[in-house]
Amino acid sequence: DAGVIQSPRHEVTEMGQEVTLRCKPISGHNSLFWYRQTMMRGLELLIYFNNNVPIDDSGMPEDRFSAKMPNASFSTLKIQPSEPRDSAVYFCASSRAGGPEETQYFGPGTRLLVL
Amino acid sequence: AQSVTQLDSQVPVFEEAPVELRCNYSSSVSVYLFWYVQYPNQGLQLLLKYLSGSTLVKGINGFEAEFNKSQTSFHLRKPSVHISDTAEYFCAVSADQGAQKLVFGQGTRLTINP
Repeated sequence: DAGVIQSPRHEVTEMGQEVTLRCKPISGHNSLFWYRQTMMRGLELLIYFNNNVPIDDSGMPEDRFSAKMPNASFSTLKIQPSEPRDSAVYFCASSRAGGPEETQYFGPGTRLLVL
Repeated sequence: AQSVTQLDSQVPVFEEAPVELRCNYSSSVSVYLFWYVQYPNQGLQLLLKYLSGSTLVKGINGFEAEFNKSQTSFHLRKPSVHISDTAEYFCAVSADQGAQKLVFGQGTRLTINP
């Protein structure tokens, strides 16, 4: 079975440009999570969705970040405009809906470098 | 709110030696506890989790962890490590009710030397 799929795997862009990260969760999973990983701050939850609805976006750093989930098989995380401090690895994860005991399955991540 | 402290940022050990990676958590409510592993340039993969019942939890790749409520700890152990265990290990916690949110520790980099 295919795991969580993320694209692109690597992205290099210049400050001020728009960046769009994409995620396809595991089929049948109803919860989707976006995380950011940096050396300084570790793994941070940015936002998560249940049944395509954003439940908690308190981790989104600022208005430059936005996330959407138009259907059960696709989500995007957009940064506009991008800044050098956004450089990080962004992970998408999915799980079956249910509760906090559920295992989250992570994608391979998108490594973003903003110059 | 929950928090997780991984007491060691790096742990070097020799191949076939035992290892313990320490994790302490803080929470005002009951929690579920997880250990994830991240191999280089990959996403995180679940090693094991504690939900309820026996405090000794066995996971994949020969790892196990013990939940100690009085000490608010969930240390990860393996009796004999292999080169392939070189990775970063993350302890995580979620409250047992409400939001499906994981809070991760800072990670412990395990390096296995031949």
